[in-house]
Order: sequence, then C-alpha cells, then structure tokens
Amino acid sequence: NAGVMQNPRHLVRRRGQEARLRCSPMKGHSHVYWYRQLPEEGLKFMVYLQKENIIDESGMPKERFSAEFPKEGPSILRIQQVVRGDSAAYFCASSPEPQDYGYTFGSGTRLTVV
Amino acid sequence: GDSVTQMEGPVTLSEEAFLTINCTYTATGYPSLFWYVQYPGEGLQLLLKATKADDKGSNKGFEATYRKETTSFHLEKGSVQVSDSAVYFCALGGGKLIFGQGTELSVKP
Repeated sequence: NAGVMQNPRHLVRRRGQEARLRCSPMKGHSHVYWYRQLPEEGLKFMVYLQKENIIDESGMPKERFSAEFPKEGPSILRIQQVVRGDSAAYFCASSPEPQDYGYTFGSGTRLTVV
Repeated sequence: GDSVTQMEGPVTLSEEAFLTINCTYTATGYPSLFWYVQYPGEGLQLLLKATKADDKGSNKGFEATYRKETTSFHLEKGSVQVSDSAVYFCALGGGKLIFGQGTELSVKP
C-alpha cells in the first residue's frame, strides 16, 4: 500500500513565479488536508478538501494561494507570485472519511523561494 | 481558540535515560490528542493517540495519558535510544489538527 505521495520533494522558485505542489492520497482516501511548516515552527493547518469540494479553508492566506482536489488526479496546492516568506515545508495528509483519530502525512514538499 | 503548548527544546539525553516531554492544551470540549514524530527530512508519523479523558496511548515504548483535570498529555518513555532522536509534536483536534511548536530530542550514545 503506497502511502501519501507528494511531489516534488524539493522545489525552487524565483520570486514572482508560480509553485504547484501535488498530493496523491492513499488509495481509497477521499479527504485531503494541507499544512504548512515554517522554519522552527509547528505545522499550521491550511485547507481541508474532499473530492471536488473545499470543506474548510480557514487557514489559507487570502491571496495567491488556492487548492483543489479534482474528481480524478492528485490534490494541487497552488501558490501564485511566490515571495520569500512562502519558503516552507508543505505537508498533506489523507483519510478515508472525516475522523478524529489522526491521519497519515506525506513526506512533504520543501519550497525555497530565491 | 484552541491551542497546544509544548516544553521547549532541544532536549538532550543519554541513551537509556527517562524521557518526559510536557504538553498542555486549551480547548473547548474534549478533543482527541495526538503525539506525532518527525525524523530529519521526513513527514510526520502518528506515534500515539488518545480520544477521551484517562485514555492512555502507547506505541514503541512511548506513553501518554489524556488528563482532563490538568489539560495535559505528557509524552514519556522509560529508556530512550539514539534512534529516538527526532522532533516530537503534540496536537489536538479532529479533522483540523492544532499542533504545538515541536520539541527536538537528541539522544547521545
């Protein structure tokens, strides 16, 4: 059973470019969560998606950030016009249904903005 | 709002020493509580969990008890190994997890 797959593992973007981060959930999982880890900090919730629906985006910055989880294919976190402060590790997790007993994280995408 | 506070690191121990990492929380209601571990360059792995008061979560020699009266979920291990060196995160919630800032543990041979 493959776990939660994220790619790329490392991504370097120049200021002003777009960053697209991909997350393939575990097989059979239709719920995806994105978190951001800034240097020396814990993880902060960004967005929770079900297939084709955004359920909770209360942690998403209001501008430049968007997320989707289409019927087919991986979930995508898109950051437009990246700035240095976007440099962080972005993790996604998946679950088969909404649950309160924890879920599995991918290995993350480390974004560096130069 | 809900929050989690962990003891600050880094924590440095000798192999076979006793480990305690303190975690306290503030929450409305009675959320589930979790400990996650992050090894260098990797994602987070669920270490253990407790879903209600007085539950004890345990895994790989680590334990934590959900204490409602003290709003705590301290992580303990009786004898640490070098391979336990990692960052440990306490978290609460359900679909949306709220994490503490993490505690780095370094175990020396």
